[in-house]
Amino acid sequence: DQQVKQNSPSLSVQEGRISILNCDYTNSMFDYFLWYKKYPAEGPTFLISISSIKDKNEDGRFTVFLNKSAKHLSLHIVPSQPGDSAVYFCAASHGGAQKLVFGQGTRLTINP
Amino acid sequence: SAVISQKPSRDICQRGTSLTIQCQVDSQVTMMFWYRQQPGQSLTLIATANQGSEATYESGFVIDKFPISRPNLTFSTLTVSNMSPEDSSIYLCSVEGARMNTEAFFGQGTRLTVV
Repeated sequence: DQQVKQNSPSLSVQEGRISILNCDYTNSMFDYFLWYKKYPAEGPTFLISISSIKDKNEDGRFTVFLNKSAKHLSLHIVPSQPGDSAVYFCAASHGGAQKLVFGQGTRLTINP
Repeated sequence: SAVISQKPSRDICQRGTSLTIQCQVDSQVTMMFWYRQQPGQSLTLIATANQGSEATYESGFVIDKFPISRPNLTFSTLTVSNMSPEDSSIYLCSVEGARMNTEAFFGQGTRLTVV
């Protein structure tokens, strides 16, 4: 029972363009969503989060959009940089940043 | 952000043995969490380590297989007992950030290979 799904295992984007990573969830009790970036041999690094009372949260080059009716969220990175190449995980929870349920991850490659 | 140190960073173990993973945080935190990432899979929560009480395990994980200690507010251990090759995974320690319920931070992980 995969409650959080990232249907694209990989994504390739040109440097300077926008990267859009998608995530779907099935559990309507989730009210908090986070995005993490992971490099090989390192733990996940927190990027940005959004509460279900909002539909958008922005932090520098990173913006997360939440569509509760569609149970869908997306992470936009603009402009994309080579250092953004990593695996990105979407995570969801009920009641804050505890007991996170993760998606399978999307490997983002930024091409020069 | 919290600084989390995990030891060991990697290990290769014989089946049937046990390995204890340590997690040290640079500040006091109420709850610590242990996750597992099996090869090619997403991260899955094993248990919540509570200071002063027994750990709370998620469905599919049991104390006999993954005993957890939490002696104080900055330290926790996870033991993987009686290991089999199926236990080969990355094990990660996580804590909430200083701003409660808004972010969670992870250690660098322990890559375990069971042969």
